[in-house]
Amino acid sequence: KQEVTQIPAALSVPEGENLVLNCSFTDSAIYNLQWFRQDPGKGLTSLLLIQSSQREQTSGRLNASLDKSSGRSTLYIAASQPGDSATYLCAVIRSRDDKIIFGKGTRLHILP
Amino acid sequence: EPEVTQTPSHQVTQMGQEVILRCVPISNHLYFYWYRQILGQKVEFLVSFYNNEISEKSEIFDDQFSVERPDGSNFTLKIRSTKLEDSAMYFCASTYRVEKLFFGSGTQLSVL
Repeated sequence: KQEVTQIPAALSVPEGENLVLNCSFTDSAIYNLQWFRQDPGKGLTSLLLIQSSQREQTSGRLNASLDKSSGRSTLYIAASQPGDSATYLCAVIRSRDDKIIFGKGTRLHILP
Repeated sequence: EPEVTQTPSHQVTQMGQEVILRCVPISNHLYFYWYRQILGQKVEFLVSFYNNEISEKSEIFDDQFSVERPDGSNFTLKIRSTKLEDSAMYFCASTYRVEKLFFGSGTQLSVL
């Protein structure tokens, strides 16, 4: 059974700091991994998609890495800003049945 | 960028009533999904739909739930007789292939 875990559940950092959010998954047979942002009471916005054959993807201040063999992904946010405050979710697509499984998310608060 | 549209944004209903949540996926997408998120909990898979039929459903998606794509553009989720525990944010998602998911902004369902 595929489990997706995100640690920590919540994180507060001062503005300007670089930070790393973690995602781990128990079954390495994944098709891809996607990071999402969710603002309170809102939908999910896709940030980065990493295919299983890729090691990382970058978009602006965001960099996501994938180590399939160890079942880990990280989302690196450089020079954090108060507008980055949100919940960040990772989701994997399982290879055998295309099922998409979400982690519970990390609630990030950037302190001005 | 094209968007997945969901209506209404909020729905309040009495226990036992039927509700229909509506979604307009991105026009050339082929795979459609419904997810829900109970307050403070994980995003949970409900059902996937491809080629005009359900391709997979979770244990949450019991006989009280149904989905339809009545006219080639709308994708609806019907809950026949709502229960208190159906209160959640319901998200529709679509994708062209099973990779990058695009989510709508959600419908907050409150069952009283």
